[in-house]
Amino acid sequence: DVKVTQSSRYLVKRTGEKVFLECVQDMDHENMFWYRQDPGLGLRLIYFSYDVKMKEKGDIPEGYSVSREKKERFSLILESASTNQTSMYLCASSAWGEQFFGPGTRLTVL
Amino acid sequence: GENVEQHPSTLSVQEGDSAVIKCTYSDSASNYFPWYKQELGKGPQLIIDIRSNVGEKKDQRIAVTLNKTAKHFSLHITETQPEDSAVYFCAASKSNTGNQFYFGTGTSLTVIP
Repeated sequence: DVKVTQSSRYLVKRTGEKVFLECVQDMDHENMFWYRQDPGLGLRLIYFSYDVKMKEKGDIPEGYSVSREKKERFSLILESASTNQTSMYLCASSAWGEQFFGPGTRLTVL
Repeated sequence: GENVEQHPSTLSVQEGDSAVIKCTYSDSASNYFPWYKQELGKGPQLIIDIRSNVGEKKDQRIAVTLNKTAKHFSLHITETQPEDSAVYFCAASKSNTGNQFYFGTGTSLTVIP
C-alpha cells in the first residue's frame, strides 16, 4: 500500500515562529503536493514538485516556501507564522493519475 | 486556470436512499476527474475516477457520469449506508500539467439511519 506520512497530526505555534511541516512518501512518486484545507474552501494548492529540487507555485503560495532535497520528502515551511495560516495541511504524492494523501496536520497559530 | 464548482455543500439522506453530488468545470482541456472521500480525522481517499473518453463508470454502489459538452460530472451513491457519511470532493485535471488537481469545495454527506 502507498503510504504518505506527515510529521505531526497536531501542531501549535506562536505568531512569528518558523514552522516546518514534513511529508514522506514510500512509493517513489515523482510528484508531491501541499494543500491547505479550510471549511467551505475545499483543498487549495500551495506548492507542488515534479522532481527533486524542483518546485512550482500553486494557487496560494504567499507566506509559504517548500524544499525537496530527496525524492521521498517534501517539506512545507512557514517562514513567519501568522494567525491566518491556522488550517489543516495535507500532503499528497502521485506518479500519474491518483493522488495519495497523508492524514493531515492541523496547525494552530496563536 | 481551471475552476471547479461543487453542489450541494451539505446533503442529508435516509439510509437506503440515493445521493447525488454534482460538479462543473471550466477548462475543456481537463480530461481526468477523480472523486475523493474524506472521513473525519483522515486524509482524502480516492473512491472512483473517470477519464474524458468515457461517459460513465460504475463500481458497486458508486457511479460517476461525465458530460464533456456541458462540462459537468456527477457522483451517484445508491443504497446509502451510515458509513457513507463523509465529505466528498470532486476534482479535475489535465494530463499535460503534471497531475495538478483542481478541487471542488466539498460536500458533507450525512446518511441518517
